[in-house]
Amino acid sequence: KAGVTQTPRYLIKTRGQQVTLSCSPISGHRSVSWYQQTPGQGLQFLFEYFSETQRNKGNFPGRFSGRQFSNSRSEMNVSTLELGDSALYLCASSPRTGTDTQYFGPGTRLTVL
Amino acid sequence: EDKVVQSPLSLVVHEGDTVTLNCSYEVTNFRSLLWYKQEKKAPTFLFMLTSSGIEKKSGRLSSILDKKELSSILNITATQTGDSAIYLCAGNTNAGKSTFGDGTTLTVKP
Repeated sequence: KAGVTQTPRYLIKTRGQQVTLSCSPISGHRSVSWYQQTPGQGLQFLFEYFSETQRNKGNFPGRFSGRQFSNSRSEMNVSTLELGDSALYLCASSPRTGTDTQYFGPGTRLTVL
Repeated sequence: EDKVVQSPLSLVVHEGDTVTLNCSYEVTNFRSLLWYKQEKKAPTFLFMLTSSGIEKKSGRLSSILDKKELSSILNITATQTGDSAIYLCAGNTNAGKSTFGDGTTLTVKP
C-alpha cells in the first residue's frame, strides 16, 4: 500500500496570506489527524477528521481550519498567516477514529516571511 | 490539560552503549502510550503500550509502561549510529486524541 502523501512538500508564504495543505491517507484509512511541529513547541495536535466530520480539536486559533472529503482526503487551511506559523505540518492517518497507531506523512514545511 | 514530558531532552552516546529514555504522562481518560522514532522526516511507529500490554520488545528496543507512576521508558541496547533520531512519546485518550512530548534527541557516535 502507498503511504500517506502530503502536498506540497515545501511552501513559502508572506504574512497575511493564506495557505491550503493537502493530505491523502493510506488507502482504506478513514481518520486523518493534523499536527504542527516546531522546535520550540514540539508536536502539537491540530485536529482529527473522520467520515468528513471533525472529531477532535487542539488548542489552536480559528485561523486554522480543515475539512475532509468523501474519499478521506483532507485539507488544512491557515488564514492570515503569522511568522509563528512557520513549522512542519504533519498529517497522520489511521483506519478509524480512536485508533492508537497513526501513520505519518512526510510533512509540509511552511515558511512564513 | 493533558501533558506528556520526556527526559532527557538530548543524549549523546557511543555505539554499543545502552540508553534509557523517559516519558511521564498526565492524560485524562488515558488509553495508551505510544513511542515513535523520527529521523529526518515523518515519525514512525515503534510501540504501543496499554493497561493490558505494559511491556513490548522488538530486537534491541524495548519499552515498559508503569501505570502506577504514569510513566514509560524506552530502552535501546547495543546502540548503533542508525539509532540517532528524535524519539517521541505520545499519550492517547479514549477519544483517540494524542498529546506528544517534546521528544528526546539521541545522537549515537561511532
